[in-house]
Amino acid sequence: DAMVIQNPRYQVTQFGKPVTLSCSQTLNHNVMYWYQQKSSQAPKLLFHYYDKDFNNEADTPDNFQSRRPNTSFCFLDIRSPGLGDAAMYLCATSRARQGDGETQYFGPGTRLLVL
Amino acid sequence: AQTVTQSQPEMSVQEAETVTLSCTYDTSESDYYLFWYKQPPSRQMILVIRQEAYKQQNATENRFSVNFQKAAKSFSLKISDSQLGDAAMYFCAYRAATNKLIFGTGTLLAVQP
Repeated sequence: DAMVIQNPRYQVTQFGKPVTLSCSQTLNHNVMYWYQQKSSQAPKLLFHYYDKDFNNEADTPDNFQSRRPNTSFCFLDIRSPGLGDAAMYLCATSRARQGDGETQYFGPGTRLLVL
Repeated sequence: AQTVTQSQPEMSVQEAETVTLSCTYDTSESDYYLFWYKQPPSRQMILVIRQEAYKQQNATENRFSVNFQKAAKSFSLKISDSQLGDAAMYFCAYRAATNKLIFGTGTLLAVQP
């Protein structure tokens, strides 16, 4: 089945130690998104790629970076995680074509714990 | 800037009964999309239903239907014949022209047996 896959599902890191979260998709969608979702809150968009074009949200901290080496994969790098970065990180994809409503399809998320 | 408001932080419904979750939004755009997503505890966010703003007909997916009132900027979700598996956090979302999904704060639905 076509899907959005996130690895790992749980990640524990130390304060200040760089961490990378991974997302892959078999949907062949050209848009990929990264959201941060803190406990009992709505997801907050960090950035997205439209093909190879990177679109950063204005309030996304510089500590968060992303890479998209090809259509299928997208990575979220947190350069120096702080305690406030502990959250669920959701990857989503969409097919940016009129008529499809650009519905976003979400992966299961990676829960990040910062010690 | 667009905003999405869900005024009911929590709702409860008896199994087999009907429940309506409220959502209002604010936008100056005329063409847009609205979504309801379901997020069960510790599980994946999945699409429940989608509505195109240019369509007057309310979207329906099996037991799920919406009441879309464009002039009032209202987009409520009705769940009929509620089942235990419907228990989840429900997010209303607006898709902006920039590809961005703007979420409401969510409504936690409990289903009582």
